[in-house]
Amino acid sequence: QVTLKESGPVLVKPTEILTLTCTVSGFSLTNARMGVTWIRQPPGKALEWLAHILSNDEKSYNTSLKNRLTISKDTSKSQVFLVMTNLDPLDTATYYCARLYDSGWSATFDVWGQGTMVTVSS
Amino acid sequence: DIVLTQSPGTLSLSPGERATLSCRASQSVRYSDLAWYQQKPGQAPRLLIYGASSRATGIPDRFSGSGSGTDFTLTISRLEPEDFAVYYCQQSERSPWTFGQGTKVEVK
Repeated sequence: QVTLKESGPVLVKPTEILTLTCTVSGFSLTNARMGVTWIRQPPGKALEWLAHILSNDEKSYNTSLKNRLTISKDTSKSQVFLVMTNLDPLDTATYYCARLYDSGWSATFDVWGQGTMVTVSS
Repeated sequence: DIVLTQSPGTLSLSPGERATLSCRASQSVRYSDLAWYQQKPGQAPRLLIYGASSRATGIPDRFSGSGSGTDFTLTISRLEPEDFAVYYCQQSERSPWTFGQGTKVEVK
């Protein structure tokens, strides 16, 4: 069974750094067709893709976040990390990690974690 | 960025009725790069449709997707009580990958 679970702080102060961890099970981060993506959702709003990392360590970012994001992984621990700098109250959201499955024909977020709510407030 | 515009914002229907949701892209999207997700309150989204028209594992056949280019449609042939939710389209044609703003299907 494929599962993903997000973890990280619930409350962060403005200007601080947020580090989120996604722990996966049921698949390997070295599988050629697999990657992990981070997506967030402010309360009552739509989904926003943030970044993804592939099995070959290729990374892609949403450039609207103006270079505030860094994604990385530890394959030995089956973990993917997202670091976001210079937090703002507008970054308050539920942060999801999801498996990115690339069939070679399409890429989809086929399994999602439960999400972790992060509030940015002083 | 490719902007996905979903319509209507809210669809008020009764169980058993047909739901037709639209997703319009600001630029052409390969059909293989368009997906639909369902989200219920307090839950993570769930993949419904990928490649514009292929159902994900375990998705009932009352859900169907169609379209190409800039116009895509998600159809629910007969609404079941568990289908009332928010639906998002998403493109992976070009970075940044983007989602539509969602269509809420609510009970009339």
